[in-house]
Amino acid sequence: DSGVTQTPKHLITATGQRVTLRCSPRSGDLSVYWYQQSLDQGLQFLIQYYNGEERAKGNILERFSAQQFPDLHSELNLSSLELGDSALYFCASSDTGGANTEAFFGQGTRLTVV
Amino acid sequence: GIQVEQSPPDLILQEGANSTLRCNFSDSVNNLQWFHQNPWGQLINLFYIPSGTKQNGRLSATTVATERYSLLYISSSQTTDSGVYFCAVRGSNYKLTFGKGTLLTVNP
Repeated sequence: DSGVTQTPKHLITATGQRVTLRCSPRSGDLSVYWYQQSLDQGLQFLIQYYNGEERAKGNILERFSAQQFPDLHSELNLSSLELGDSALYFCASSDTGGANTEAFFGQGTRLTVV
Repeated sequence: GIQVEQSPPDLILQEGANSTLRCNFSDSVNNLQWFHQNPWGQLINLFYIPSGTKQNGRLSATTVATERYSLLYISSSQTTDSGVYFCAVRGSNYKLTFGKGTLLTVNP
């Protein structure tokens, strides 16, 4: 168990809908990262937060947004869902979020858009 | 950004065999991690190894940062070692960049 908790584990929804994925980082970690894993794109970095502030942005679509709350948990919001958004979404956390820190991953949320 | 290449892409072994997985990266890094993704999709941390050598049971890893590569050794492989092994690196920015992985199948 990495200590990073993601909910829900599985999600099935229809095209055009909006979903929220939730992540609780390891105790003491200030930084959270979101990744998307699809069959054709591999593991892609979406966005990183550190202590409530956005720190880095990757290949995140405009239909997607995220935030980190004062208690350090994070949410990834996916809207106007398309079939191609079906993927495994991972959250990771690290202590400081700097370049020299180890990241630990949650079990992922498997999103299926039908 | 940094490019990460892993080889081989696929590897099939008999139980008890040894293997070496390679990760090449295109620029200097501050962080290198090896992960195992099991058949249930979970990403398990194996090593945090920006340089040097580490061992954990039947697994060991070596990173030669000056030559921009890392190796993961699996000895006496077991069927539970099956899955995808990922190398991920972080350069001067905060993004952890993953390779495409090595799919390992260990047959009984």
